[in-house]
Amino acid sequence: EADIYQTPRYLVIGTGKKITLECSQTMGHDKMYWYQQDPGMELHLIHYSYGVNSTEKGDLSSESTVSRIRTEHFPLTLESARPSHTSQYLCASSGQGTDTQYFGPGTRLTVL
Amino acid sequence: AQRVTQPEKLLSVFKGAPVELKCNYSYSGSPELFWYVQYSRQRLQLLLRHISRESIKGFTADLNKGETSFHLKKPFAQEEDSAMYYCATSGSARQLTFGSGTQLTVLP
Repeated sequence: EADIYQTPRYLVIGTGKKITLECSQTMGHDKMYWYQQDPGMELHLIHYSYGVNSTEKGDLSSESTVSRIRTEHFPLTLESARPSHTSQYLCASSGQGTDTQYFGPGTRLTVL
Repeated sequence: AQRVTQPEKLLSVFKGAPVELKCNYSYSGSPELFWYVQYSRQRLQLLLRHISRESIKGFTADLNKGETSFHLKKPFAQEEDSAMYYCATSGSARQLTFGSGTQLTVLP
């Protein structure tokens, strides 16, 4: 079934740890996005990719990095997690010829 | 830069009453407008797009270019409509800019 998957769904980790949030989609989409969202607040775009080996930073400055080696996979990495990174991270994708985005279930990250 | 404004953070209505969630945008070109909804413990999902001119779950939204608005309306609210609603727009960069959201509560 076509879907967007994010793992882990919840992550509690200590300061200074390196973490990777996984996002994969079986939608056949070429465009993928990462958003950061604090509870009850708006979504902020932090990274996007329009295809393999193409990544760009979004409107919100983020210390995270992303890679797009395969069309269906768009992982986000934090080299050294800090409490300020505590947030929900949403992955999304969209297909050619449309701006409609479809979202994954999100990863709720807590950095102690 | 694009901006989407949702002036109401919280909105409560009684079941069966009409509901209108306001959305104003700023973009000089021809934007594409969306409403997304997030029910409790569910992922963010598309509710409707203005280009489709459709009615989903009884909701409609009309693009008013003169007032730069895209308000979401439903004539008779149901308890299952309680959710967080986000208005979004895409512009020349083909990315979505989201509003801050409106938490709708439909009271029994």
